[in-house]
Amino acid sequence: SAVISQKPSRDICQRGTSLTIQCQVDSQVTMMFWYRQQPGQSLTLIATANQGSEATYESGFVIDKFPISRPNLTFSTLTVSNMSPEDSSIYLCSVVTGEQFFGPGTRLTVL
Amino acid sequence: ELKVEQNPLFLSMQEGKNYTIYCNYSTTSDRLYWYRQDPGKSLESLFVLLSNGAVKQEGRLMASLDTKARLSTLHITAAVHDLSATYFCAVVGDSSYKLIFGSGTRLLVRP
Repeated sequence: SAVISQKPSRDICQRGTSLTIQCQVDSQVTMMFWYRQQPGQSLTLIATANQGSEATYESGFVIDKFPISRPNLTFSTLTVSNMSPEDSSIYLCSVVTGEQFFGPGTRLTVL
Repeated sequence: ELKVEQNPLFLSMQEGKNYTIYCNYSTTSDRLYWYRQDPGKSLESLFVLLSNGAVKQEGRLMASLDTKARLSTLHITAAVHDLSATYFCAVVGDSSYKLIFGSGTRLLVRP
């Protein structure tokens, strides 16, 4: 298994601002993902965070809106840029170590 | 494109009763997960099913996989209130470990 932490755990932000979410894993992992869970909904994959190269984004998500960094095998950040109320969601990072495990999530509210 | 359908979306059941949640997926996959999510919390991994005919049990929950029918079931035996949560199935779309989630089943176990 893996111990995953995320910061911040929650935040309330103003429209038009940006928020960077951090994900830290207690061991080196190759596969790291970012998911979004909108209120009352299921999870949707935003992107795969690749170490040493640009992230791979899923359909409907773009780098300008959700820039991702992956400087090493234990850490990644997701930035939600130019936020609007529609970005209010829980953002979760996930890693694969045998199975796929999820971090505790970051609950974002945009006013 | 891989699609995952889960039903029912909502299930209200009395303590002591049995019920089954169904998860259908549209294309071949070699890995299926079941997760539990409590309100305001992240996802807890329950089961990972890797092969046709796989069956796993933990307490009052039992999961099975039929890859030919592209169907997984999560069976609840003699439900108790502590099982109240939202349950998600998720299927690995390809060799990249990206997960495609079902819509979730919100389970409420009544006394």
